[in-house]
Amino acid sequence: GAVVSQHPSWVICKSGTSVKIECRSLDFQATTMFWYRQFPKQSLMLMATSNEGSKATYEQGVEKDKFLINHASLTLSTLTVTSAHPEDSSFYICSARDYIQGGSGANVLTFGAGSRLTVL
Amino acid sequence: AQTVTQSQPEMSVQEAETVTLSCTYDTSENNYYLFWYKQPPSRQMILVIRQEAYKQQNATENRFSVNFQKAAKSFSLKISDSQLGDTAMYFCAFRAGGTSYGKLTFGQGTILTVHP
Repeated sequence: GAVVSQHPSWVICKSGTSVKIECRSLDFQATTMFWYRQFPKQSLMLMATSNEGSKATYEQGVEKDKFLINHASLTLSTLTVTSAHPEDSSFYICSARDYIQGGSGANVLTFGAGSRLTVL
Repeated sequence: AQTVTQSQPEMSVQEAETVTLSCTYDTSENNYYLFWYKQPPSRQMILVIRQEAYKQQNATENRFSVNFQKAAKSFSLKISDSQLGDTAMYFCAFRAGGTSYGKLTFGQGTILTVHP
């Protein structure tokens, strides 16, 4: 089945630095990927939609200058948390839809295993 | 805007028994999809089951089944013959038809613990 890989799975950084998280679709092409944020023991919130070859679409309240998204190829989207601060510490999850599946699988998203960011 | 509510923060069940997780939602849409996702300690989100709103028949996937009550806007998940591997956080999710596939609205989650 479709596999989405995230790297790194865990990252610790100092306040003020930038951190990049990668999301790759391993066995399918994804023109669209989605980035979510999850605080401990809480629900997932959609942050933005990453579009291959064009600008990302951000959800209301998400700072586009803080969370830079680049979708340079059909299999890779990156989320860069710029000038990270402790309040940015969270679990970031990406997902993608495998268009090739079609049929009954067409409405299904595949999620990555997530990346835990800790900002000191 | 849609809202999804899971009123049970935590549930526990004995192995081999049956447990039902509750979910209600609010929407003005007529065409939509509902999902149950499982997030085990590994944090990997796994689709458990999905339901298309236009289908009256309740979805079933092996030990997992749903009770979809469209008029009541209720979408509960029943896990039969619970197994230790079912221990996880379960999220109910909603997506309006015609919207982006990633535009899911999640409930707050229910932590399910299966005891041996």
